Amino acid sequence: KAGVTQTPRYLIKTRGQQVTLSCSPISGHRSVSWYQQTPGQGLQFLFEYFSETQRNKGNFPGRFSGRQFSNSRSEMNVSTLELGDSALYLCASSPSPLAGAFNEQFFGPGTRLTVL
Amino acid sequence: TQLLEQSPQFLSIQEGENLTVYCNSSSVFSSLQWYRQEPGEGPVLLVTVVTGGEVKKLKRLTFQFGDARKDSSLHITAAQPGDTGLYLCAGSVLYGGATNKLIFGTGTLLAVQP
Repeated sequence: KAGVTQTPRYLIKTRGQQVTLSCSPISGHRSVSWYQQTPGQGLQFLFEYFSETQRNKGNFPGRFSGRQFSNSRSEMNVSTLELGDSALYLCASSPSPLAGAFNEQFFGPGTRLTVL
Repeated sequence: TQLLEQSPQFLSIQEGENLTVYCNSSSVFSSLQWYRQEPGEGPVLLVTVVTGGEVKKLKRLTFQFGDARKDSSLHITAAQPGDTGLYLCAGSVLYGGATNKLIFGTGTLLAVQP
């Protein structure tokens, strides 16, 4: 079974631009979560989507948004990029929504975003 | 705000040594997971512990969930270079009713020298 795939793997943008990252979950998985990982803040939860609906949202500004398509693929968008948005953006999929004790997620390799 | 503090932050040891990584919080978690992340890759789930006091073994790795479900430890016996990586604990918390989210710890970077 193929794992979680994320595209692109690397991205360089300049301040003020916007960016769209893509995530394809494991086949059959309907929950997709997004995380931002930086050396200073560690791994922080952005949002979770299940059945095309956002179920959960972390403490990030409105410049960060996402969506999920009917085939469970997901995209996240960051508008008006800032230098501090430079990070590894990770996508994780799960067979069911994040509810209950077992939140077993499978992570993709991430997209490394650099904002200049 | 739920926080998960891991200690130590960095650990460099020789092959064959034993080590313990700690994950502590003042919050109670419904479950706790441990992940290992290698450079250029996403975290990979190692184990999930659910019951207070639970101990799980995965070959040379032993995971323990605290009795009060606020802390956890990971013990590695006879570390090998292949154990090198970033170890992350993640606690599951109830958020807004029926949904859960994962709070990740600050991470422990382990380097095992041959």
